[in-house]
Amino acid sequence: NAGVTQTPKFRILKIGQSMTLQCTQDMNHNYMYWYRQDPGMGLKLIYYSVGAGITDKGEVPNGYNVSRSTTEDFPLRLELAAPSQTSVYFCASTGGAGWTQYFGPGTRLLVL
Amino acid sequence: QKEVEQDPGPLSVPEGAIVSLNCTYSNSAFQYFMWYRQYSRKGPELLMYTYSSGNKEDGRFTAQVDKSSKYISLFIRDSQPSDSATYLCAITQGGSEKLVFGKGTKLTVNP
Repeated sequence: NAGVTQTPKFRILKIGQSMTLQCTQDMNHNYMYWYRQDPGMGLKLIYYSVGAGITDKGEVPNGYNVSRSTTEDFPLRLELAAPSQTSVYFCASTGGAGWTQYFGPGTRLLVL
Repeated sequence: QKEVEQDPGPLSVPEGAIVSLNCTYSNSAFQYFMWYRQYSRKGPELLMYTYSSGNKEDGRFTAQVDKSSKYISLFIRDSQPSDSATYLCAITQGGSEKLVFGKGTKLTVNP
C-alpha cells in the first residue's frame, strides 16, 4: 500500500494563478480531508469528504474548492492564488479504530 | 475557550531525559485521544491512540488520559535524538466527527 500520496511536493505560484493539488489514497477509506499548516498554528481543516460525491466545508474554506468523484481521489483547487495561501497542505484519510487519520507527505505552496 | 489547548514549546531536553507533553480540552464528549508525531518537512504520523481514561504504554511511550480533568499526556522515557519532532495531540467524539488537533509541541532531544 502506498497510503496517501500527494502531488506536487512543492510549487511556486504567482498571485492570481490557479492550481490543483492532487491527493490519492489506496486504503479504500471513505473519509478524506484537506488541511493547511502554517508555522506555529497547527492544522486547520479546509474541506472534507465523507464519500464519493459528498464534500463539506471545514474551518478555512475560502479561496478553495474540492470535488470527490471517486473513493480514491480528493483534489483541492486553488482559484486566484493569494499570498495568504502560502502554506503546507496535507491530505488525510480516515479508517480503522477510533477514526485515526493517515496523512500524505504534504505539498509546499509558495504564492508570490 | 478553544477546544484543545497545547503548549507549543519549544521544548529542549538532553538525551535520556523523561519528556512530558500535555493537552487540555474543553468538550467532555470527546472519547478518542491520539498523539501524532511530525518530523520536519513530513506529514503527521499516528504515534498512539487511546480510548477512555487510563494509561497506554508502547515501548518508551506512555499515553495518559484523565477525562475528569480533561487532560491528556504523552510521556517519553529515555528520550533519543530521533524523538526530535513536533508532537500533536488530536481528539474526537468518534462516529462522523472530525479530529480536533492541538497546535503541536516542538521537541528537541540533544545528544
